[in-house]
Amino acid sequence: DTAVSQTPKYLVTQMGNDKSIKCEQNLGHDTMYWYKQDSKKFLKIMFSYNNKELIINETVPNRFSPKSPDKAHLNLHINSLELGDSAVYFCASSPSGGVDTQYFGPGTRLTVL
Amino acid sequence: GENVEQHPSTLSVQEGDSAVIKCTYSDSASNYFPWYKQELGKRPQLIIDIRSNVGEKKDQRIAVTLNKTAKHFSLHITETQPEDSAVYFCAALTNTGNQFYFGTGTSLTVIP
Repeated sequence: DTAVSQTPKYLVTQMGNDKSIKCEQNLGHDTMYWYKQDSKKFLKIMFSYNNKELIINETVPNRFSPKSPDKAHLNLHINSLELGDSAVYFCASSPSGGVDTQYFGPGTRLTVL
Repeated sequence: GENVEQHPSTLSVQEGDSAVIKCTYSDSASNYFPWYKQELGKRPQLIIDIRSNVGEKKDQRIAVTLNKTAKHFSLHITETQPEDSAVYFCAALTNTGNQFYFGTGTSLTVIP
């Protein structure tokens, strides 16, 4: 019954591999986001989708590709993983993407060895 | 774009004392200011928010104040308890887009 869920919770992988993180929300929200939280706890927006359409694409390497098959899902695929990709990745959603609160998923801790 | 600064980065208080965390923002078009609490290993969770047409909002021991002229807003926690220990983030949302700009976080420790 979790509102925003992510899988997996932990991901440990070697440099150069390709991995995906999945996010689902059952709140009926229109807008979903991906954030990266580094070791200093700084939360940085990566992408935002509104009703399956990309609306925010911050300066992230093009090795990161989001995919939204429907408005309840926003997955993050990362190619050719690098050491600097190690972080906690949070998915979030908001009702309309306007002046609304964002609700965060539990996070995925990615460790690149 | 918006720039949100948050101070202090760390804060230690004795149980029962008050804690104040301050944020400033740069974009006068910002109109929504939430505060999130993140406990160790957990997700950020909304604790209180304020919109630009309001100067103050209170919820039990937590209050937020907003000064639009000076472009700053603050979180006030009274009668702090050990379970208030966490990292607190402020954020600002502009009405020209749907992007939250987060502050850099304040690690609050409440000493029993």
